[in-house]
Amino acid sequence: AQSVTQLGSHVSVSEGALVLLRCNYSSSVPPYLFWYVQYPNQGLQLLLKYTSAATLVKGINGFEAEFKKSETSFHLTKPSAHMSDAAEYFCAVTVYSGGGADGLTFGKGTHLIIQP
Amino acid sequence: DAGVIQSPRHEVTEMGQEVTLRCKPISGHNSLFWYRQTMMRGLELLIYFNNNVPIDDSGMPEDRFSAKMPNASFSTLKIQPSEPRDSAVYFCASSLTWDQETQYFGPGTRLLVL
Repeated sequence: AQSVTQLGSHVSVSEGALVLLRCNYSSSVPPYLFWYVQYPNQGLQLLLKYTSAATLVKGINGFEAEFKKSETSFHLTKPSAHMSDAAEYFCAVTVYSGGGADGLTFGKGTHLIIQP
Repeated sequence: DAGVIQSPRHEVTEMGQEVTLRCKPISGHNSLFWYRQTMMRGLELLIYFNNNVPIDDSGMPEDRFSAKMPNASFSTLKIQPSEPRDSAVYFCASSLTWDQETQYFGPGTRLLVL
């Protein structure tokens, strides 16, 4: 079975500073990896996904992530944090089995705090 | 597109009562997923359907939980009887097909069992 570990339940950065949210995965077969964002009292919104194409993936709102197989990592970055980036971020993994994709396995989430 | 629609948005009930959560996937989407979110356990996959057929229900916590998808535009998640530990936010998500990885999430149903 696959799993995801997000390092740091809370990350605090200053507005304008680099955002780095860490995600490591475990999977016995090539994974598909995702970052979702959740704003308070809302559902999850897809930021970006890796599906075995380019290892550097660009998403919405200026976020990007790089798939590194050797490190089993899929860290999320943004060069300059904005106050509106404050939210909960989830890394997730799925694999193909039986001809289709399984449901997502999520990490515990990282709460991103932006300091003015 | 209206997105994934869930109802009710909030539900408060007493222990022992039956609870039914509803989900309408995005039109044309053939796969539907139910997740539960709690502080202790995070986001967990409960069950998912493809073309209205349950594919994997191994995440359903107990026999008190059941899910159905009678047609392509409607699914229910039922808890009977409900218990306080079922209190959580329940999310429904849909994807275009089983091999389309992007899942679109509804706003969730916040359930409180007293």
